[in-house]
Amino acid sequence: DADVTQTPRNRITKTGKRIMLECSQTKGHDRMYWYRQDPGLGLRLIYYSFDVKDINKGEISDGYSVSRQAQAKFSLSLESAIPNQTALYFCATRGTVNTEAFFGQGTRLTVV
Amino acid sequence: AQSVTQLGSHVSVSEGALVLLRCNYSSSVPPYLFWYVQYPNQGLQLLLKYTSAATLVKGINGFEAEFKKSETSFHLTKPSAHMSDAAEYFCAVSVEVNNDMRFGAGTRLTVKP
Repeated sequence: DADVTQTPRNRITKTGKRIMLECSQTKGHDRMYWYRQDPGLGLRLIYYSFDVKDINKGEISDGYSVSRQAQAKFSLSLESAIPNQTALYFCATRGTVNTEAFFGQGTRLTVV
Repeated sequence: AQSVTQLGSHVSVSEGALVLLRCNYSSSVPPYLFWYVQYPNQGLQLLLKYTSAATLVKGINGFEAEFKKSETSFHLTKPSAHMSDAAEYFCAVSVEVNNDMRFGAGTRLTVKP
């Protein structure tokens, strides 16, 4: 099994719909992250969390919310999806600030 | 907040030629620096990292990078490109104070036969 699992892998949704992307990890790490990837822009940080009681906004949090249900689970929600939220979304986890991040395979989201 | 800039969104080299991918960072405190590679339709995987030990860091697949504080750079090199090196490469930085990890815009490497 993968260390970081994202579901769904692909999703097409309509403008205005609410959608949730889920992430679970088996690394036992406290730190979890959500990024979105757009061509030419690299990965931009949406939200990050150090434990279930600690949620922090990243560079581009507007239009998104997150929930840390347990140490191993971190979900990203789009309350009312819009077309410019079409992107590839990655969840990541890591143990400490000077160690590598482990990434999921990504969720390709299309908002029509 | 800390940041990285990758110079060159696309780099093309011939097979067997030197690969040089540039990364400059901005940070008011000592940084930790990372290079990741992304193959098509996959997530990111770590190539190498700098965490304040040796300034010349060796990674997987023959890649290495040198941390130069005076130039605020962490460029990635490989002496001889292979076709399998074609991918997108990301430089990333994190610092102790805020624990997040910020990425550059990425450089797409093409390797010509």
